[in-house]
Amino acid sequence: DAEITQSPRHKITETGRQVTLACHQTWNHNNMFWYRQDLGHGLRLIHYSYGVQDTNKGEVSDGYSVSRSNTEDLPLTLESAASSQTSVYFCASSDSGQGGYEQYFGPGTRLTVT
Amino acid sequence: QQQVKQSPQSLIVQKGGISIINCAYENTAFDYFPWYQQFPGKGPALLIAIRPDVSEKKEGRFTISFNKSAKQFSLHIMDSQPGDSATYFCAASMDSGAGSYQLTFGKGTKLSVIP
Repeated sequence: DAEITQSPRHKITETGRQVTLACHQTWNHNNMFWYRQDLGHGLRLIHYSYGVQDTNKGEVSDGYSVSRSNTEDLPLTLESAASSQTSVYFCASSDSGQGGYEQYFGPGTRLTVT
Repeated sequence: QQQVKQSPQSLIVQKGGISIINCAYENTAFDYFPWYQQFPGKGPALLIAIRPDVSEKKEGRFTISFNKSAKQFSLHIMDSQPGDSATYFCAASMDSGAGSYQLTFGKGTKLSVIP
């Protein structure tokens, strides 16, 4: 079955370290998104991509970067992790060929920055 | 600027009761309004969605009511069950072009259905 996976599921890192969170989808969706979820803030968009080599900043992009070298993957990189980036991160994808309405979410990565 | 306001933050309902969650939006360009359901430790999943050309959409026990003039929409869960206990997010979206929709989420409502 097609799916969207994230790895690792849990990560503890130190302030200042570079961290990369992986997202892989097997639906062949053009659109991919990264969100962070924090209590009291809901889900906030970090970066998104509408296809290979396309990346765009979302609402809370400072301190994060993404690259899209193929359809299946959109890794999220924290260049220099900060305690404020402790959060749960979700990757999502949608099919522009079907209108792009419904986003399918991965299981999430819980990141703790100490 | 929060574009989608959701209330209440938390809700406790007796089994068999009606759960009601409300959302309000500001941007009149939004044209797609989904509700997502999230269980602990899981990613959100689409529950039901509506477009502004209809005032109500029902799927089983779940109904969206939409008031375009008031820029408000709500989720009603009839005959609420303990298995409905989850966090619910409303969202609003508009076409960014070429079939690409970005979602703006409300802050979520944690629903607890007690037996």
